[in-house]
Amino acid sequence: DAGITQSPRHKVTETGTPVTLRCHQTENHRYMYWYRQDPGHGLRLIHYSYGVKDTDKGEVSDGYSVSRSKTEDFLLTLESATSSQTSVYFCAITETGQSNYGYTFGSGTRLTVV
Amino acid sequence: AQSVTQLDSQVPVFEEAPVELRCNYSSSVSVYLFWYVQYPNQGLQLLLKYLSGSTLVKGINGFEAEFNKSQTSFHLRKPSVHISDTAEYFCAVSSNRDDKIIFGKGTRLHILP
Repeated sequence: DAGITQSPRHKVTETGTPVTLRCHQTENHRYMYWYRQDPGHGLRLIHYSYGVKDTDKGEVSDGYSVSRSKTEDFLLTLESATSSQTSVYFCAITETGQSNYGYTFGSGTRLTVV
Repeated sequence: AQSVTQLDSQVPVFEEAPVELRCNYSSSVSVYLFWYVQYPNQGLQLLLKYLSGSTLVKGINGFEAEFNKSQTSFHLRKPSVHISDTAEYFCAVSSNRDDKIIFGKGTRLHILP
């Protein structure tokens, strides 16, 4: 398996609190992505990164921020969690911006905001 | 802009019967097409992909898909399903001008005994 891990695997947090999810890869891939998965919506892109300190927004970026200070780590932060951010979050990596490689996914983080 | 539509949210099928999961895409440029599978409580795995060349693509676990440019479709098929194929299947599209992949909303495959 590709070396990609997400932490934590599960988290319950209260509305209004900040939350940070971590994606760690050992593949030295340049591109990293954060998606959320919700019933009836499939996977929707939140943010992605194409290199250290280089990030861009996806289709559902409101309420989320990201940081990538080193190649192997891509952090997703919910500044002030809301119940609408209850979801399963997946990180994905790919070697280059040539999307023909497809993605390798992490196992996901299940976040519940109460 | 590209988009992908999975025409069925759920597909029930009897064990050992054939199955087809439908996917249509929209794109103004040449596309890359993918099918991913997600088993319960797991991440997504690449099942197969079409980049160019032969329109019939074979993937893992006996699945195959056919790229049809005139109908803008990329349907996934398996001649005989097993209980272990119970999962959610996602069709996805990209192109050589994109650095990200757009996913469909998924189709849940239910295998009936």
